[in-house]
Amino acid sequence: GESVGLHLPTLSVQEGDNSIINCAYSNSASDYFIWYKQESGKGPQFIIDIRSNMDKRQGQRVTVLLNKTVKHLSLQIAATQPGDSAVYFCAQAGGTSYGKLTFGQGTILTVHP
Amino acid sequence: GAGVSQSPSNKVTEKGKDVELRCDPISGHTALYWYRQSLGQGLEFLIYFQGNSAPDKSGLPSDRFSAERTGGSVSTLTIQRTQQEDSAVYLCASSLGTSGRTLNIQYFGAGTRLSVL
Repeated sequence: GESVGLHLPTLSVQEGDNSIINCAYSNSASDYFIWYKQESGKGPQFIIDIRSNMDKRQGQRVTVLLNKTVKHLSLQIAATQPGDSAVYFCAQAGGTSYGKLTFGQGTILTVHP
Repeated sequence: GAGVSQSPSNKVTEKGKDVELRCDPISGHTALYWYRQSLGQGLEFLIYFQGNSAPDKSGLPSDRFSAERTGGSVSTLTIQRTQQEDSAVYLCASSLGTSGRTLNIQYFGAGTRLSVL
């Protein structure tokens, strides 16, 4: 069945470092991938997304990389700040419908000042 | 503009009682989604609406769970005869539509934390 999983459940970095959060997915039929950030007590917040016809997409301080060959997705955060501390989820849209998102378990990112 | 609003923010109920959770999507968003998040877990899809119709309700865990949407806006998730395993945060999201990258970006509410005693 479909699954989206994360290699590292926790990541601890120093302020100013770059962070890389990884995600593996199993459903090769999906063509839309999203990263969300969830702070304690809040709903997930959209960070960045990518379609399968792209390998890389950049936002403000964030970059998403997609490797379809090995079904791997990563989120890179440049110059990580304490405010980046949160749980990060990758998600993929179903192969036949964008409606349903399948989420991974999440990675806890902790940024130390 | 206002984001996705969910009420109540917290709900404590006794086992066997029925509960209703409400979601007000972002104005103009035609698609609405319900997810469930257990402690320390990822989000589990329950159901989504396009307008007032539910094309995919495959994630509803049992027939005790139901949802409706009226007027293409507000949605209610109802859990009948609640069980302790229903305890979780129930999250609602909305999007402009479901086709195309931009239309499908889902914006989430803060959720309703349900505790079944």
